[in-house]
Amino acid sequence: AQTVTQSQPEMSVQEAETVTLSCTYDTSENNYYLFWYKQPPSRQMILVIRQEAYKQQNATENRFSVNFQKAAKSFSLKISDSQLGDTAMYFCAFMKHKNDYKLSFGAGTTVTVRA
Amino acid sequence: DAGITQSPRYKITETGRQVTLMCHQTWSHSYMFWYRQDLGHGLRLIYYSAAADITDKGEVPDGYVVSRSKTENFPLTLESATRSQTSVYFCASSPTFPGPEGYEQYFGPGTRLTVT
Repeated sequence: AQTVTQSQPEMSVQEAETVTLSCTYDTSENNYYLFWYKQPPSRQMILVIRQEAYKQQNATENRFSVNFQKAAKSFSLKISDSQLGDTAMYFCAFMKHKNDYKLSFGAGTTVTVRA
Repeated sequence: DAGITQSPRYKITETGRQVTLMCHQTWSHSYMFWYRQDLGHGLRLIYYSAAADITDKGEVPDGYVVSRSKTENFPLTLESATRSQTSVYFCASSPTFPGPEGYEQYFGPGTRLTVT
């Protein structure tokens, strides 16, 4: 299995502030796919953002953006203007190529947004 | 539009018993997956299926059995449950070809299984 590492088990951020979650991965593939999933207390897994390795431009989705550093095998998630509803566990996930479909997940980072 | 459903949502069973977790999707997605979620491990792939009657092992398949006779259903069976199989189980599905936004797996709500 591919190795995906999230080195921050927990993070806390004040409402309206910015928080950045780190993710590193190990692969010898070139055209792979990276994802951030959110799991709120409801337990439902929700896709936040995705990045295709062959695209140099960093993906953005509203208040969520990534910093994809292919050479460093790093894929961090930035949450801007944090809201109470962002409180959740966040998982970084890796798919090694387009015909693989399987995801390898990191251990997760619990984000708590404080009012 | 039910999407992907799992049943039961909660299950308590005893060591040594057989238990089956059900997964049903209404999108006719080709790919289906079973993951288990444990603290400190994230989600780990147990089994997956590329189509009806095609299944393959994931990262942690020992102690589990799957079948897929119909595209929409992908049950996971624990043949003789052990305490180490206490976990939250997620089913997911994915279409063969990505949508306009790209690849994505769609997850069910999860089943919390406790083996006593």
